[in-house]
Amino acid sequence: KQEVTQIPAALSVPEGENLVLNCSFTDSAIYNLQWFRQDPGKGLTSLLLIQSSQREQTSGRLNASLDKSSGRSTLYIAASQPGDSATYLCAVFTGTASKLTFGTGTRLQVTL
Amino acid sequence: DGGITQSPKYLFRKEGQNVTLSCEQNLNHDAMYWYRQDPGQGLRLIYYSQIVNDFQKGDIAEGYSVSREKKESFPLTVTSAQKNPTAFYLCASCEEGSSSPLHFGNGTRLTVT
Repeated sequence: KQEVTQIPAALSVPEGENLVLNCSFTDSAIYNLQWFRQDPGKGLTSLLLIQSSQREQTSGRLNASLDKSSGRSTLYIAASQPGDSATYLCAVFTGTASKLTFGTGTRLQVTL
Repeated sequence: DGGITQSPKYLFRKEGQNVTLSCEQNLNHDAMYWYRQDPGQGLRLIYYSQIVNDFQKGDIAEGYSVSREKKESFPLTVTSAQKNPTAFYLCASCEEGSSSPLHFGNGTRLTVT
C-alpha cells in the first residue's frame, strides 16, 4: 500500500527566505507526482505535476524535483512571500488504482 | 470560467439523516473523485468515477454512496450508516490519463450532531 509522508509538518520562515518542502513515498511505481496548495477552508490548487519520466518541473518561483528510485520529491520555493502562507500537499498517482495518494501536508507560514 | 462547483459550502444535519453533497464540473473531464479531509490526516478517497454510469469504491467507501448519471455531475450521499460523518468533503476531476492534474472544488463542510 502506497504511503506518502511530508516533513516538516509545519514551518515558519521570514519573508525573502528560500525554502524546501519534502515528500517521500513508499512505492516507486508511480505515474506522476503532484504538488498542491491549500488555503484554510478552501479546496486544493494544483501547483506542479511531474511525470514519472521527468526529474523536475518549474513554475515561477516554484521548482519541484522527483527522484523516483529513492521515493522522494522536493518543492523549492524561492524568495518566499507572506502570500505563500498555506498548506502544501504532495500526492502520487498510482496507475493500477487510477487514484492519488496524499500526504498530510506541510503548513507554511511566511512572516514579515 | 471552467471549474468545479460544490454546494452547499456548509451543511448541518442531525444524526440518522442521509444528506447529499453536490458536485458539478464544466471542464469536460471524464474522471471525478470524492475525498474526505480530517484534521491531521491526508485526503482519503471515498469514491471515484472514470466514466458515466460507472464508479468504484475508494479506501473509505462504507457509509457513502454515489451516482454518475451525467458527465458533469457526481453527487455524494452520506448515509446514516457512516459512523463519523463530520468532515470536510472535497470533489475533484481530471482528464483521463496520468498526465492531467487534479482540479478541486472549494469543498463542503458537513457537521452532524
